[in-house]
Amino acid sequence: QVQLVQSGAEVKKPGASVKVSCKASGYTVTNYGISWVRQAPGQGLEWMGWISGYNGNTNYAQKFQGRVTMTTDTSTSTTYMELRSLRSDDTALYYCAREVAATGSSWFDPWGQGTLVTVSS
Amino acid sequence: QSVLTQPPSASGTPGQRVTISCSGSSSNIGSTTVNWYQQFPGTAPKLLIYNNNQRPSGVPDRFSGSKSGTSASLAISGLQSEDEADYYCAAWDDSLNGPVFGGGTKLTVL
Repeated sequence: QVQLVQSGAEVKKPGASVKVSCKASGYTVTNYGISWVRQAPGQGLEWMGWISGYNGNTNYAQKFQGRVTMTTDTSTSTTYMELRSLRSDDTALYYCAREVAATGSSWFDPWGQGTLVTVSS
Repeated sequence: QSVLTQPPSASGTPGQRVTISCSGSSSNIGSTTVNWYQQFPGTAPKLLIYNNNQRPSGVPDRFSGSKSGTSASLAISGLQSEDEADYYCAAWDDSLNGPVFGGGTKLTVL
C-alpha cells in the first residue's frame, strides 16, 4: 500500500537546523510530488512547499523562502526537508504528503505520520 | 489568520446532519477545486473529499462536499460518534502560488 514514513522527533536549539526525512513506498516516486505541511501545537495546517518527484523542481511558500530546502533521493525514494535558523515558533509537527495531481486540481494523499520538531534553549 | 475561513466548532447529535462551511475568494475557491481533510487527535490528516465532491475509496457516503462560487461546504449525514474530529478545507491559491487551508473546524458529537 502507498505509505510515507517519516524520521523521528527532533529537539533543536534556536538558530540550529533540522532535516526531516520522508520515505515513500508502494508507488513510483517519480510520478508524484511531495509537499510538506506543518502544524503548530493546537493550531491549523500550514503548507511549506513542494518538490517534484520527477525532476526535483521546488515551489516554496514565500514565508519559508531562504530558510527551507527540499530535496529528493529517487534511489531510496526518500524526500528531505531542511529548515534553518530555527526559532521557538518553528516548534510543530511536520508532515510530508504525496500530492496527487489531475487536470486543474491536486490533493494530498496519503500523509506521513508526522515528525515533532521542538525548538527550545 | 488562515486564508480560508471555517467556523472553529460545530456539533450535532447522533443521526443528525451537520454542515461545515469554508469561505474563500476568487483567487482560491472561486477558481479551483476544494479538498477536505479529517484529523483525529494525535494522528495525521486524512483525505476525506477531493475535487469538491469526490470521495476516496473507503470514505462512507455519509460524507459529501459541494462548492458554489467562493464557498464550499462539507456535509455529514447520519452523524456518528466516530465522526468527532477536526475538519480542514483546502484549495490552491493563485495569488500565493500554493495551497491554502482553512483554520479547521472541531466537530463534537453530543
